[in-house]
Amino acid sequence: AQSVTQLDSHVSVSEGTPVLLRCNYSSSYSPSLFWYVQHPNKGLQLLLKYTSAATLVKGINGFEAEFKKSETSFHLTKPSAHMSDAAEYFCVVSPVGGGSYIPTFGRGTSLIVHP
Amino acid sequence: GAGVSQSPSNKVTEKGKDVELRCDPISGHTALYWYRQSLGQGLEFLIYFQGNSAPDKSGLPSDRFSAERTGGSVSTLTIQRTQQEDSAVYLCASSPPGLEVYNEQFFGPGTRLTVL
Repeated sequence: AQSVTQLDSHVSVSEGTPVLLRCNYSSSYSPSLFWYVQHPNKGLQLLLKYTSAATLVKGINGFEAEFKKSETSFHLTKPSAHMSDAAEYFCVVSPVGGGSYIPTFGRGTSLIVHP
Repeated sequence: GAGVSQSPSNKVTEKGKDVELRCDPISGHTALYWYRQSLGQGLEFLIYFQGNSAPDKSGLPSDRFSAERTGGSVSTLTIQRTQQEDSAVYLCASSPPGLEVYNEQFFGPGTRLTVL
């Protein structure tokens, strides 16, 4: 079994300040982990993914995430928020092993960026 | 190249009617997923195709929901006798060949279904 918990439903930051979106997971198998972004009325787009290589993963638009097995976390960060970062962000876990190809999505975190 | 496309983009229907939602995946992508996204919720998995076969239909909420995929390409999600609780955005995603658990999913823009 696997699950994903996004700890904040909304995060509000000012433009130019750091962003932290928190994600904890549980998985019976070694997971692959993903962050997707969804802008209003658009489909989801991959930001970055962890697939058992380097634990610090860099993605598009200056985002990065660190896989911490001991904490079962995969938090998303960005040093400086931009207005265009305002969107919904989804953390996703996909189990490696167990015969299941079905990823589990978190409920999402809405990032609000103030000028 | 072209991304995943879905049609219609919006569908308004009356309770009790049947609807068909279409997904055109990226050419060459073997895996195809359907999800449902309700307001303020995450994505709810509905069904997964590998080629034309559906090894996992566990997410279909009732027997009113069915899906098929033909030619390893286009997929259709059919909802019979629609209910108001079926109102949601239906998202389709496809993945290229390889180990799906490592693969990025490419999402379409979704179909917004409203059942009156």
